[in-house]
Amino acid sequence: AQRVTQPEKLLSVFKGAPVELKCNYSYSGSPELFWYVQYSRQRLQLLLRHISRESIKGFTADLNKGETSFHLKKPFAQEEDSAMYYCALRTGGYQKVTFGTGTKLQVIP
Amino acid sequence: ETGVTQSPTHLIKTRGQQVTLRCSSQSGHNTVSWYQQALGQGPQFIFQYYREEENGRGNFPPRFSGLQFPNYSSELNVNALELDDSALYLCASSLAIGRASVSGELFFGEGSRLTVL
Repeated sequence: AQRVTQPEKLLSVFKGAPVELKCNYSYSGSPELFWYVQYSRQRLQLLLRHISRESIKGFTADLNKGETSFHLKKPFAQEEDSAMYYCALRTGGYQKVTFGTGTKLQVIP
Repeated sequence: ETGVTQSPTHLIKTRGQQVTLRCSSQSGHNTVSWYQQALGQGPQFIFQYYREEENGRGNFPPRFSGLQFPNYSSELNVNALELDDSALYLCASSLAIGRASVSGELFFGEGSRLTVL
C-alpha cells in the first residue's frame, strides 16, 4: 500500500532563511509526486509536480527514488510562504491521490 | 472558468442520521474525487467518479456512497452517521481521458464541514 510521510507538523523559519519541507513515500511502482499548498482562508491548490521539474514561487522539489523522498526546498523564505503544505502521491491506473498529514510552514518576519 | 463549488459549507447532524453533500466540478472536468479531512490530518481518499461510474475507492465502509450525474456534478452520501465522521469533506475535480488523468492535478472546492453530535 502507498503511504506518504511528512515528519514535521510545524516548521518555523526566519524570513530569508532556507526552507526544506520533508516528504518520504512508500510505493513499489513508479510514483507521481506532488506538493499541494493551502494558504490561509484559501482552498487547497497544486504547487508543483515532479514530472514538470519546474520552480514555482521559488520552490523546487526533486524526486529521489533511492531515498524515496520528494523534499520541497526554497533558498530564501518569504512571509507569504506561510501556509500548510501537503505532499501527495498518485498511483495506479486511476487518479487516487494519497496525501501526507501536512506541514505548517511559519515564516517569522 | 467556473471553479469547484460545494454545498452546504457547514452542517450539523446527530448520530445515526444521513447526510448528502454536493459538488459541482470545474467546467471541462469529467472526474470527481471525494476526500475526508479530519482535524490535523491530510485529506483521505474516499472514492472517485468518472463518467458516472465509481473509479476507485479508499478504505471507507459502504455507508459512504456517491453518485455522479451526466453534467459531472456529484453527491456524497453518508448513512448512519457516527461521531468520527465529523470532518471537512473535500471535493476535487480533474480531467481524465479513458480513466487516466490528463495532468494529475486536482482542483479542490472549499469543502463541507460536517459536525456529528
